[in-house]
Amino acid sequence: SQQGEEDPQALSIQEGENATMNCSYKTSINNLQWYRQNSGRGLVHLILIRSNEREKHSGRLRVTLDTSKKSSSLLITASRAADTASYFCATASPIQGAQKLVFGQGTRLTINP
Amino acid sequence: EPEVTQTPSHQVTQMGQEVILRCVPISNHLYFYWYRQILGQKVEFLVSFYNNEISEKSEIFDDQFSVERPDGSNFTLKIRSTKLEDSAMYFCASSGLGPMSNQPQHFGDGTRLSIL
Repeated sequence: SQQGEEDPQALSIQEGENATMNCSYKTSINNLQWYRQNSGRGLVHLILIRSNEREKHSGRLRVTLDTSKKSSSLLITASRAADTASYFCATASPIQGAQKLVFGQGTRLTINP
Repeated sequence: EPEVTQTPSHQVTQMGQEVILRCVPISNHLYFYWYRQILGQKVEFLVSFYNNEISEKSEIFDDQFSVERPDGSNFTLKIRSTKLEDSAMYFCASSGLGPMSNQPQHFGDGTRLSIL
């Protein structure tokens, strides 16, 4: 089964607007993490939200988690051209120790100047 | 800020040859991981490693793959006899030790492996 499916697959907005990306998953999780990937580069960790948390903020980022709906959203406020990248959600299963992250396909975000 | 470093950034290898991808995780981290991303596809988990042994591996991680932590700083992924379908970006990641493992994984910039 698919885990961590993002929606939309691609999003193009004007600089200054807010961008919202959604992620759905199927199994129980310990936490959910959002990552950014610039073209051809590695994954940059943005924010981790635990299964007992509902909302988390970091700068211009706001993440929500609804475990009853098995979904999460990432909001980027006041977008900038430098926010252009692919964004991935990744779920970590409820085990101690090493976490296996299961990634979605990602949302390709384009910020137009 | 400490970071995960991977070498080489790009590796071109003939099919059937052995390849070793190298990673230096963040120094005080205890959990190490390899993931791969085939072009245009999602990032896939390969293997996790803790306390000098494999914690979990995916079905992708067959007998052709092995991992090693030869010293206190390096973490390597070896592919014994490469196939065309091994062409991908390979990412190393590491994470620290925390309650219920709620620690982010920090990724390197990846090694692009091209099998000819």
